[in-house]
Amino acid sequence: AQTVTQSQPEMSVQEAETVTLSCTYDTSESDYYLFWYKQPPSRQMILVIRQEAYKQQNATENRFSVNFQKAAKSFSLKISDSQLGDAAMYFCAYRSRAGNQFYFGTGTSLTVIP
Amino acid sequence: NAGVTQTPKFRILKIGQSMTLQCTQDMNHNYMYWYRQDPGMGLKLIYYSVGAGITDKGEVPNGYNVSRSTTEDFPLRLELAAPSQTSVYFCASNGGQSAAPQHFGDGTRLSIL
Repeated sequence: AQTVTQSQPEMSVQEAETVTLSCTYDTSESDYYLFWYKQPPSRQMILVIRQEAYKQQNATENRFSVNFQKAAKSFSLKISDSQLGDAAMYFCAYRSRAGNQFYFGTGTSLTVIP
Repeated sequence: NAGVTQTPKFRILKIGQSMTLQCTQDMNHNYMYWYRQDPGMGLKLIYYSVGAGITDKGEVPNGYNVSRSTTEDFPLRLELAAPSQTSVYFCASNGGQSAAPQHFGDGTRLSIL
């Protein structure tokens, strides 16, 4: 089974600053998809951003962008101009093109300091 | 837009009791999943289904059962509840395309005392 590792259990950032959350994964496949999900205290899982492995261009969604390094099997999330509403658990997830399952990391708890 | 609906939102069970967590989706998704999330941890896959009549085990299936008689519904059954099954349970679905993200329900917080 694929493994997804988030090595930062907790991170903090000053409001309006930039923070980067790390994610690495282990796979022998070449075609797959990577996702970042946000889980606020409400517990709802919300898709933040998605990256397709065959695309070299890093995905961007407003203040959220990724740094996808396929050779290094790294998929970090950068949050720019951090806002109080960004405070949440963030989960990295992997799915191969051929597979049915999603594999999640253990999450990073992000605190935004006013 | 209902999306993925889970019931109940909260439940307390006694050891040895049984219950069914309900999950229904209105997006005509073929793929459905059940996860558990223990405190401070990520999601662990219990069971999943790729269509009506088809189910398969995930990482932590012991103590649970599922069925998928319709596209919309994917109930999770706990038999002989144990304290180790205290967790938050999430149901999710997606359309099956590899690039499609999962849509999650709001979760069920289950405590077994």
